[in-house]
Amino acid sequence: GAVVSQHPSRVICKSGTSVKIECRSLDFQATTMFWYRQFPKQSLMLMATSNEGSKATYEQGVEKDKFLINHASLTLSTLTVTSAHPEDSSFYICSAGTTADTQYFGPGTRLTVL
Amino acid sequence: LAKTTQPISMDSYEGQEVNITCSHNNIATNDYITWYQQFPSQGPRFIIQGYKTKVTNEVASLFIPADRKSSTLSLPRVSLSDTAVYYCLDTGGFKTIFGAGTRLFVKA
Repeated sequence: GAVVSQHPSRVICKSGTSVKIECRSLDFQATTMFWYRQFPKQSLMLMATSNEGSKATYEQGVEKDKFLINHASLTLSTLTVTSAHPEDSSFYICSAGTTADTQYFGPGTRLTVL
Repeated sequence: LAKTTQPISMDSYEGQEVNITCSHNNIATNDYITWYQQFPSQGPRFIIQGYKTKVTNEVASLFIPADRKSSTLSLPRVSLSDTAVYYCLDTGGFKTIFGAGTRLFVKA
């Protein structure tokens, strides 16, 4: 089946630093990947759609200058949380799919900002 | 806004069959109905997908009536390890929006 990986699985950083999270589709190519954020006991919230070779599309209320997305190849999308603050601490999950009907999700990245 | 609604939580006992129903009041003609399972601190895992009638795989069955306004995920003989959050979604559009999900708790 389709496999999506994320790296790192967890990261702890100091307030004000930037953190990069990678999302890879291991056995298929994905022109579109999605980034979600999930707070404890809550559902996944779509942050942005990552498009290979073009700019990402952000959901309303998500700061594009704070959450930088780069989709440089058909198997890799990166999310950079710039100048991270404690309120950015969350579980970040990416997804990709071979069709629009089915998305496969990465294992998630736990970000803790001190 | 999420397009589906489902019960917030359900309790069951080991060995029982569990049915989780979802409302798809705004499903588009081209959308599929997809169910995911999520354990704490993990990404959602694909369970099953269907368009109409019944679909069965090795872990679950999915029942979809002719009007496609609802779906029922059936988990046969649940075990403690089936304790998780289950999400139903309309998929096939440009992006996938999650609802609140159903938190299933299986007791011994």
